[in-house]
Order: sequence, then structure tokens, then C-alpha cells
Amino acid sequence: AQSVTQLGSHVSVSEGALVLLRCNYSSSVPPYLFWYVQYPNQGLQLLLKYTSAATLVKGINGFEAEFKKSETSFHLTKPSAHMSDAAEYFCAVIPVFGNEKLTFGTGTRLTIIP
Amino acid sequence: NAGVTQTPKFQVLKTGQSMTLQCAQDMNHEYMSWYRQDPGMGLRLIHYSVGAGITDQGEVPNGYNVSRSTTEDFPLRLLSAAPSQTSVYFCASSYFRATDTQYFGPGTRLTVL
Repeated sequence: AQSVTQLGSHVSVSEGALVLLRCNYSSSVPPYLFWYVQYPNQGLQLLLKYTSAATLVKGINGFEAEFKKSETSFHLTKPSAHMSDAAEYFCAVIPVFGNEKLTFGTGTRLTIIP
Repeated sequence: NAGVTQTPKFQVLKTGQSMTLQCAQDMNHEYMSWYRQDPGMGLRLIHYSVGAGITDQGEVPNGYNVSRSTTEDFPLRLLSAAPSQTSVYFCASSYFRATDTQYFGPGTRLTVL
């Protein structure tokens, strides 16, 4: 079975400051990992995904994440927060092989302070 | 392309009523799925389908039925609505497998009284 844990249900950062959203995974087999973003009253859209190629993955809107097997982590970062980054962010995991069930974390709501 | 569409956007039901949430995609995707989103619980998988005629259960399937008679459509049926099914429901699709990028619909907000 696989699972993800997102530390911090709410994170606030000042505009221009570093954004760091944490995700730790648990999987008995090598996983694929995803970050999705949800803007208010909308569906989710993909930010980036790790599919066992490069461990540092770059996504849209200046976000990136690094896969660290030794720490079972896939934290999301952005060097400089923008007001438009305010949203809810979800980490998700699925085994490379074995089932067709994507498992989401509980989400982190990001607030940007002007 | 319209992408993934869901109807209705909002629905209020009384306990015991049945209804169908509609989901359609025009991207010729094989994989489709239904999630429910509840505060503090993230998204939980209800049912999924890897192609027409093939469906399987997700994490929280009780009280819901699905069928996949065409590639485009994947309706979710609530057999006898309960207050515990009050939630926001999202349909998603991807090209072939769950490991591919998921494209989400705008959601249906369901309230069961």
C-alpha cells in the first residue's frame, strides 16, 4: 500500500519569500510522485511529476521538487512567492507497477502575505 | 476540446434519494476516475475505469455505482443518498493509466439533507 503525508495543512509566506511545502511518501515499491494545485472553486491541475528520470523536477509557474529516496520525500519549492500562488497543493503517489489507484495527501493551503 | 465536463455543478438531495453525476471527456482517454473531496481529507478515490466496459473499486466505493459503456462517459450513481455523502465530487481522466497526468473536471458540490 502507498500513502503520502503532507506536513502542515496551512502555510503562510510573505510575497517574494521562499515557498516550501513538504511531502513524505510511503511505498513498498518504487513510486511515481505528483504535485497538483487547486485554485478556489476549480478542479486540480498538474504542477509537476516524478517518473524516475531526473530527481530534480521542474514544473509550471516556477515550482520544482526534488525526489530524495533516502528521506522518502518529495518537497515542493519556489524561490519567490507571488500572490497568484495562493491555492491548495496536493501531493500524490502511485506505484510504478501494481495498481491503478492514485493516492492523494490531505493538502496544504498556501497563503501569501502582501 | 472541452476537456473533462461534469454536470450538475450543484445538487441538493434528500436522504434516500438517488441520482447520477455525469462526467464526460473528449480527449479519447482510456483511464477515468471519480474522487470525493472532504475538508482535511484530501481527495479519496471512489471508482475508476481503465477502459470501456472495465471498472474497479477505489478507496471509498460503498454507496456508489459506476459503469463505462463508452470511452467518453463515466457516470457515478448514488443509490440511496446519505448525509455522509455530502462532498465535492471530481471526475478525472488520463491518456492510458493512473500514472499519466490526470485532467480534472470542475467538480460537483453535493449536499444531502
